[in-house]
Amino acid sequence: QKEVEQNSGPLSVPEGAIASLNCTYSDRGSQSFFWYRQYSGKSPELIMSIYSNGDKEDGRFTAQLNKASQYVSLLIRDSQPSDSATYLCAAFSAGGTSYGKLTFGQGTILTVHP
Amino acid sequence: DAGVIQSPRHEVTEMGQEVTLRCKPISGHNSLFWYRQTMMRGLELLIYFNNNVPIDDSGMPEDRFSAKMPNASFSTLKIQPSEPRDSAVYFCASSFWTSEFAGELFFGEGSRLTVL
Repeated sequence: QKEVEQNSGPLSVPEGAIASLNCTYSDRGSQSFFWYRQYSGKSPELIMSIYSNGDKEDGRFTAQLNKASQYVSLLIRDSQPSDSATYLCAAFSAGGTSYGKLTFGQGTILTVHP
Repeated sequence: DAGVIQSPRHEVTEMGQEVTLRCKPISGHNSLFWYRQTMMRGLELLIYFNNNVPIDDSGMPEDRFSAKMPNASFSTLKIQPSEPRDSAVYFCASSFWTSEFAGELFFGEGSRLTVL
């Protein structure tokens, strides 16, 4: 089992729709979670971080975390063609006395069509 | 700040040659990461340093790969000898991390390596 798994995609939604991206993680010790966006041929860039259970909203983006279910999601409202990219979920596990580890999922390719 | 700076952006080499990738992290960041990205395997962590000390190199594929961070502003990833299966985009990223907190990773633009 991969440590961080994302819905395989690719995901295609029409412009204006809600895009839902999902991620599960296996390490119950994971404390911090991140969503990165990567445009084709570019490097990943952070769009959301979430540390506690519940929802976190930032503009059209909402991250949801459920630690009991080991589940993280990203909702993109009013999807735009410019949102078309690969979305990477990442989980950070603190190391306690040693430094922690950040693990990325395989990514989900999102296409928003006009 | 100029962000994380990587060089070269593109490298084409022949099997068996030595490859050296370079990275300058963002000033003030204490953690530096080397990732490799391929279509098949996604984004894989190779090694990361905290305060110039290697913390986790379990992702380094084999002895052909080595990484150094001689000071806070410079790191290298070396592959010797290179093989075609090493072809990938290699990203360097930096951040401010503690044992309990992971700050945002800032990625460089990547070095695209092709080994013929």
